Amino acid sequence: NAGVTQTPKFRILKIGQSMTLQCAQDMNHNYMYWYRQDPGMGLKLIYYSVGAGITDKGEVPNGYNVSRSTTEDFPLRLELAAPSQTSVYFCASSFQGGQAFFGQGTRLTVV
Amino acid sequence: GIQVEQSPPDLILQEGANSTLRCNFSDSVNNLQWFHQNPWGQLINLFYIPSGTKQNGRLSATTVATERYSLLYISSSQTTDSGVYFCAVATATDKLIFGTGTRLQVFP
Repeated sequence: NAGVTQTPKFRILKIGQSMTLQCAQDMNHNYMYWYRQDPGMGLKLIYYSVGAGITDKGEVPNGYNVSRSTTEDFPLRLELAAPSQTSVYFCASSFQGGQAFFGQGTRLTVV
Repeated sequence: GIQVEQSPPDLILQEGANSTLRCNFSDSVNNLQWFHQNPWGQLINLFYIPSGTKQNGRLSATTVATERYSLLYISSSQTTDSGVYFCAVATATDKLIFGTGTRLQVFP
């Protein structure tokens, strides 16, 4: 099992550009989460999903969108990137809200 | 929303010392987890502990859900224990909310 896989690992975006951060898990987990972590800070929940077709806002959803069409994948879409979205993005998954497992993160810089 | 506060924010230890990290939360939760973020940024799940006590080697954790706190004990600390320790709580609406973190530095 690969666990939770995030792509890309690094990305530089220009202000106003859009991109999708990919997250895939092969553990048949129904819960998936997206977080952002600013330098020296904790993790803030952006969006989460408790199953395919179900998504909900977290603590900091503005500027982001998600979809969950399959159990395995949970992509995060950034529209009109802004410098404030420079951060490290983490995806996680769990079974029924139990022990959560994290991907390696995507480091995004908006210039 | 729920508040999750950790103390102390920073901790500096010499190798071999013991330490206790605390996590306080402001509302009832479905479960609590402890994570270690190593210096390379990787997040590792240490404990899933909605209540009671668990031990894993030199680490143990206790959650007292009725009093809204959890403790993480690290005994005989090693330099590889350095990093940031986070607790995270699952709310009634299935959000997994992280605490403020404790940064631990262990020196030889």
